[in-house]
Amino acid sequence: AQSVTQPDIHITVSEGASLELRCNYSYGATPYLFWYVQSPGQGLQLLLKYFSGDTLVQGIKGFEAEFKRSQSSFNLRKPSVHWSDAAEYFCAVGPAPHSNYQLIWGAGTKLIIKP
Amino acid sequence: DSGVTQTPKHLITATGQRVTLRCSPRSGDLSVYWYQQSLDQGLQFLIQYYNGEERAKGNILERFSAQQFPDLHSELNLSSLELGDSALYFCASSPHRTSGGGNTGELFFGEGSRLTVL
Repeated sequence: AQSVTQPDIHITVSEGASLELRCNYSYGATPYLFWYVQSPGQGLQLLLKYFSGDTLVQGIKGFEAEFKRSQSSFNLRKPSVHWSDAAEYFCAVGPAPHSNYQLIWGAGTKLIIKP
Repeated sequence: DSGVTQTPKHLITATGQRVTLRCSPRSGDLSVYWYQQSLDQGLQFLIQYYNGEERAKGNILERFSAQQFPDLHSELNLSSLELGDSALYFCASSPHRTSGGGNTGELFFGEGSRLTVL
């Protein structure tokens, strides 16, 4: 079955510390991978996406993610978090850029920042 | 600001009632998607419209319906409301071409309409 797993429901990190949010997927075809962020009271915003090419992708707000086909993972990283990064992060996988309705969403990871 | 506008932001109603949620997509975007977000179900795709026509259906209940108008705004109608329908309802839009160049795959989300059914 196709699925996206974000193993951590909550993660707490100190401001200035590094961050890694995990995303594992099970998908039969070549996956297109996305990370979205949902700040409190806001809609989701695209952080970055991977379609092909370099497996390390850069996104907005200083985030990056690495696609590892052998591990079926697409983990999100940031070297130094800021208080404004407190939000919920969603990983999603789909079959093609123009098939958004087929996106499979992870359950989300809530990031809490300690001052 | 994503450019997607949803109204109302908050709505409180009683069981058995009917409500209409409205969405204005980004200027020029032809596709509108509706999602339901709840604590127990996560983010669930309900339905997609493309240029006025239904394109894809997800986990949308028969009590729910949607449409997209000629000006591309969309409405989600929820009827015979139950307590379990309480959730955040998101609209998203995308440029959506059938294939090829110009497809970024990005969805632009509104801020959502929070529905509380009492």
